[in-house]
Amino acid sequence: NAGVTQTPKFQVLKTGQSMTLQCAQDMNHNSMYWYRQDPGMGLRLIYYSASEGTTDKGEVPNGYNVSRLNKREFSLRLESAAPSQTSVYFCASIQGLAGVGEQYFGPGTRLTVT
Amino acid sequence: ILNVEQSPQSLHVQEGDSTNFTCSFPSSNFYALHWYRWETAKSPEALFVMTLNGDEKKKGRISATLNTKEGYSYLYIKGSQPEDSATYLCAFRGTYKYIFGTGTRLKVLA
Repeated sequence: NAGVTQTPKFQVLKTGQSMTLQCAQDMNHNSMYWYRQDPGMGLRLIYYSASEGTTDKGEVPNGYNVSRLNKREFSLRLESAAPSQTSVYFCASIQGLAGVGEQYFGPGTRLTVT
Repeated sequence: ILNVEQSPQSLHVQEGDSTNFTCSFPSSNFYALHWYRWETAKSPEALFVMTLNGDEKKKGRISATLNTKEGYSYLYIKGSQPEDSATYLCAFRGTYKYIFGTGTRLKVLA
């Protein structure tokens, strides 16, 4: 039981490049989330998926797209990376549709855009 | 804009001291209040999920209380140990999903 896994752990991109951050959970959770964490700020929600087949925007969705490929996997795509997207990205999952249970976080992806 | 505020931002305590932090959140559209422990270079780890006004939860030397009417939660650590050093995050779960505070950074000095 690996919990929530994320790949890659680190990535450096040039401005304008694209990439996809992968997230998978093996806990059979319904809801999955993508956050970014920047110095001096709390974790901010980018996108979430309340259940397989649905996705919704969070607080800071601009410049990102997501895909809930199946119940296990929720990917985050940067189509044209910008320096403002330099951040640490965390994926999380939670049991239940209401989402009030414990959130389990992945180890994070540290992204630098030059 | 909904805000979740935590205070203090950081503090240093001596080993053996007891300490507490505050999380303030909107008092409307409340679903749950989460506390997390976040060590450097790791991911946040869930401590408590609190849903009812007056809730009190405990895990070892750490406990938390909840007041949803006035919009605050306290986290207490009794007899702090160096291994308690971490950032303690709270997150408000409302209709707009989760809103996180910026955390309280605790350093316990041996």
